[in-house]
Amino acid sequence: AQKITQTQPGMFVQEKEAVTLDCTYDTSDPSYGLFWYKQPSSGEMIFLIYQGSYDQQNATEGRYSLNFQKARKSANLVISASQLGDSAMYFCAMRGSYNQGGKLIFGQGTELSVKP
Amino acid sequence: DVKVTQSSRYLVKRTGEKVFLECVQDMDHENMFWYRQDPGLGLRLIYFSYDVKMKEKGDIPEGYSVSREKKERFSLILESASTNQTSMYLCASRPSGSYNEQFFGPGTRLTVL
Repeated sequence: AQKITQTQPGMFVQEKEAVTLDCTYDTSDPSYGLFWYKQPSSGEMIFLIYQGSYDQQNATEGRYSLNFQKARKSANLVISASQLGDSAMYFCAMRGSYNQGGKLIFGQGTELSVKP
Repeated sequence: DVKVTQSSRYLVKRTGEKVFLECVQDMDHENMFWYRQDPGLGLRLIYFSYDVKMKEKGDIPEGYSVSREKKERFSLILESASTNQTSMYLCASRPSGSYNEQFFGPGTRLTVL
């Protein structure tokens, strides 16, 4: 069965510092995709970054980078130079099997608080 | 910009009522999804649809049904609302042929009293 685990329910970081949010996954499919979404208090899910299982390089999008370690089955999100607006819930997700429409399987989420 | 809209941000209903949650997307996406979000559990898939009039059960379909009569609209129906269906409901869409990003609506926070 496919599963995503986020072991940090909440985290604090000082403004302008970097922070790493942990995510481990389990799947037997050789082809999969990993996502990170941000959910501010307003509720909308904002797509941040995507990593395909066959991608050779770690994905980066602005201040976001994904530390993909395939052998360890981890896909940690690194946010550099944290800003107050980064305070939100963060979800790691994996694309599910194709016979389920490519649904997303989500972790439990990590609530990030950025301190001024 | 892809836009997914949901009919209500907040909804309060009574136990036993029939509840309709509507989702509309404007990007001609074939695939649409309904998720439920609960603290500590993340998001869980209720139903999805890959075409008009087509629907498939997700991980937690019990107590819910769906309808997709038009490509742009995907409705979630609670036939007889119960208090354990109090939750945040999120709709998403994705184009066919791309198994990447899903685009989410703003969510509907449903309270069943």
